[in-house]
Amino acid sequence: GQNIDQPTEMTATEGAIVQINCTYQTSGFNGLFWYQQHAGEAPTFLSYNVLDGLEEKGRFSSFLSRSKGYSYLLLKELQMKDSASYLCAPRTRDAGNNRKLIWGLGTSLAVNP
Amino acid sequence: NAGVTQTPKFRILKIGQSMTLQCAQDMNHNYMYWYRQDPGMGLKLIYYSVGAGITDKGEVPNGYNVSRSTTEDFPLRLELAAPSQTSVYFCASSYIGRSYSYNEQFFGPGTRLTVL
Repeated sequence: GQNIDQPTEMTATEGAIVQINCTYQTSGFNGLFWYQQHAGEAPTFLSYNVLDGLEEKGRFSSFLSRSKGYSYLLLKELQMKDSASYLCAPRTRDAGNNRKLIWGLGTSLAVNP
Repeated sequence: NAGVTQTPKFRILKIGQSMTLQCAQDMNHNYMYWYRQDPGMGLKLIYYSVGAGITDKGEVPNGYNVSRSTTEDFPLRLELAAPSQTSVYFCASSYIGRSYSYNEQFFGPGTRLTVL
């Protein structure tokens, strides 16, 4: 089956660093996405990993280990506006070559002053 | 570019009524998706399309229908609305090509539907 595991909630302090972990089990793995979703809004794209290693984009970095079925999102210099849900979403490719994202429940991050 | 647009933003339906949620994208994306998101829950795929004229079921297709007559539009039809269909509905699109680019999904703002 397909499964994604992330912590439900995390709390951090403004200016700090936080790491959000994600483990997954999928068939036909075709890359992994991280999205941010503020309350009442649509998800927005943060990062993408298809090969093992670290991808850095400003204050956000994402890491992937395909052999371990593991990824993390690292947020540096936290700001109040980073309070949101963070969604780990592996992409799968089925027998018909169709691509779909598998969505976890997300991690709700609260940034405190 | 307007990106992905959805109408209406809000709607209240009575049990048994029908309606169509509209979704359009102007990015020439081949893939389009419909999701529902219940409070505190993850996104569930209802239907998706890999191109005009081609649609397929996702995880939770019962009670819904879709069509994709053009690249731009992907309407979602609710027949005989039920309280269990109260949710936020998101439409998304992406371009899946041969290059190993991000191919990320772009989301519309959502439609908040209540069935009473």
